[in-house]
Amino acid sequence: EVHLVESGGGLVQPGGSLRLSCTASGFTLSEHIMDWVRQAPGKGLEWVGRSRNKANGYTTEYAASVKGRFIVSRDDSKSSFYLDMSSLKVDDTAVYYCIRSPPGKAPGDCWGQGTLVTVSS
Amino acid sequence: DIQMTQSPSTLSASVGDRVTITCRASQSISSNLAWYQQKPGEAPKLLINKASSLETGVPSRFSGTESGTEFTLTISRLQPDDFATYYCQQYKTYPFTFGGGTKVEIK
Repeated sequence: EVHLVESGGGLVQPGGSLRLSCTASGFTLSEHIMDWVRQAPGKGLEWVGRSRNKANGYTTEYAASVKGRFIVSRDDSKSSFYLDMSSLKVDDTAVYYCIRSPPGKAPGDCWGQGTLVTVSS
Repeated sequence: DIQMTQSPSTLSASVGDRVTITCRASQSISSNLAWYQQKPGEAPKLLINKASSLETGVPSRFSGTESGTEFTLTISRLQPDDFATYYCQQYKTYPFTFGGGTKVEIK
């Protein structure tokens, strides 16, 4: 069964850093594109960033709101996908979801349960 | 960025009703549109990809259509399990963008 589990969320001060992890099971991570999507409390969904699969050179894409502050990466040997967040702002407060995105199809055929990041002093 | 305008933002309906949600893209996205369902406290679930292709296991009462830059999600006969918030998303061009969501409430 395909499964994604996020971890690493918590309370961080403005300007701080945090690393989110997503552990994948039930599929081969290197074959899949992976995305991060976030949802601020009571708000809609916002796409954050992407790591393409091995076949596409692990290249990345970012939303303008996080570019230069967030980095997506992965360790296929550990079946893990990461989001390194720095220079965090209050507006980054959200539940962060990692999602699997099969090549050539819509993003998000599988979602993790999400991890809450709260940026507050 | 491509803007996705979703309407209505809230919809009140009864079990058995036919429900239609619309999403309009600010420019051509071909058929690169997905629909998601989200229930309170849960992660979103992919219902439809490529504008009209139903995901495995999604009931056939859900359907998606496209006409140019206008996309529609229809629930033919609303069931109690369908009361949720629905989002569209374009995945034609980065950054991928979502509609603002439609909350389907019990009338």
